[in-house]
Amino acid sequence: DTGVSQNPRHKITKRGQNVTFRCDPISEHNRLYWYRQTLGQGPEFLTYFQNEAQLEKSRLLSDRFSAERPKGSFSTLEIQRTEQGDSAMYLCASSPPAGAEQYFGPGTRLTVT
Amino acid sequence: QQQVKQSPQSLIVQKGGISIINCAYENTAFDYFPWYQQFPGKGPALLIAIRPDVSEKKEGRFTISFNKSAKQFSLHIMDSQPGDSATYFCAASADYKLSFGAGTTVTVRA
Repeated sequence: DTGVSQNPRHKITKRGQNVTFRCDPISEHNRLYWYRQTLGQGPEFLTYFQNEAQLEKSRLLSDRFSAERPKGSFSTLEIQRTEQGDSAMYLCASSPPAGAEQYFGPGTRLTVT
Repeated sequence: QQQVKQSPQSLIVQKGGISIINCAYENTAFDYFPWYQQFPGKGPALLIAIRPDVSEKKEGRFTISFNKSAKQFSLHIMDSQPGDSATYFCAASADYKLSFGAGTTVTVRA
């Protein structure tokens, strides 16, 4: 399968713990995006990378959130000191060079207890 | 503040019928308008997309109609099938960031 992959698919953690998610984009896609989706809502933009450069971060991305894309390949999203309000589906998407279309992965479902 | 307003919130259509979902936007910087289909527990899947210089685009049973002056666009699903039962999201993009509508849950009755 050559689609966007995300790991883990599900994560249950206790409030206050740190969690890290990984996204592997489609091969040769140079832009990579992170979105958050809560139940019954559309995805909300968090941040995006062009190659290894993080070009924009949403105001939704508090100081507890950090994303990286070393070497312009896979990306990680880390949430420190998780709160119950962080419970959501975290979606990753990627785009080809010179293309506007975004292809989403299956998401990581985070539950903070 | 939601930048893209989507309606209806849900709709029920008979097999073979037409589903119509509408979206409206205000930001004239938006230059790309995709529609996504999402099944429970899955990521959104790109269905069809349009640029503002085109008024209509058709791919199979899915058609986007775009009205630039009214800042509105819609998705028509022709010959709806039970497998089309899903949540549909419109979106709009400026500077590569997608702003999504709140979604429409479509139920196709056999």
